[in-house]
Amino acid sequence: GESVGLHLPTLSVQEGDNSIINCAYSNSASDYFIWYKQESGKGPQFIIDIRSNMDKRQGQRVTVLLNKTVKHLSLQIAATQPGDSAVYFCAEVGGTSYGKLTFGQGTILTVHP
Amino acid sequence: DTEVTQTPKHLVMGMTNKKSLKCEQHMGHRAMYWYKQKAKKPPELMFVYSYEKLSINESVPSRFSPECPNSSLLNLHLHALQPEDSALYLCASSQEEGRGYGYTFGSGTRLTVV
Repeated sequence: GESVGLHLPTLSVQEGDNSIINCAYSNSASDYFIWYKQESGKGPQFIIDIRSNMDKRQGQRVTVLLNKTVKHLSLQIAATQPGDSAVYFCAEVGGTSYGKLTFGQGTILTVHP
Repeated sequence: DTEVTQTPKHLVMGMTNKKSLKCEQHMGHRAMYWYKQKAKKPPELMFVYSYEKLSINESVPSRFSPECPNSSLLNLHLHALQPEDSALYLCASSQEEGRGYGYTFGSGTRLTVV
């Protein structure tokens, strides 16, 4: 069945390091992906998105890479800061799940000062 | 206004109680969603409303009853819940139901069933 999953459930980094959070998906028909950040007690917050006709998209300090060959998505955060500590979810819209936003399992990112 | 507002932020209810969760947005979005999130788990879709009509019900038990009175409001009526229904309930909205439209989430209602 369809699934959107993550390789690493937790990631600890030092302040200033670059962070990479990975996500695997199994539905080859998926055509739109979103990364969300969720802080404790808050709802998911949009970070960056990418469509399947793109390989890379950059935002402010964040980059999303999409490898459709191996169905892999990653989020790179440059110069990670303590305020980046949160749970990060990848999510899929599209494929056979029209209208549904399907989340991956999430990665807990902890940034140490 | 670029927010989705959910009330209350916290709710404790007994298994025989009836309560309602409320969600409001004024971004002109025509699709609204209810998600349930258990601790340390991803959000799971419950209901989708599109143009004030129920579009998707993810086989949610009837003790959860959604309502969309108008394009800005979404309610979730709760009755005879179980302790395992304790979770964070998230509301979201998007311009339209379907692909390629950004979703905005509220901060959620933390529900505890005792």
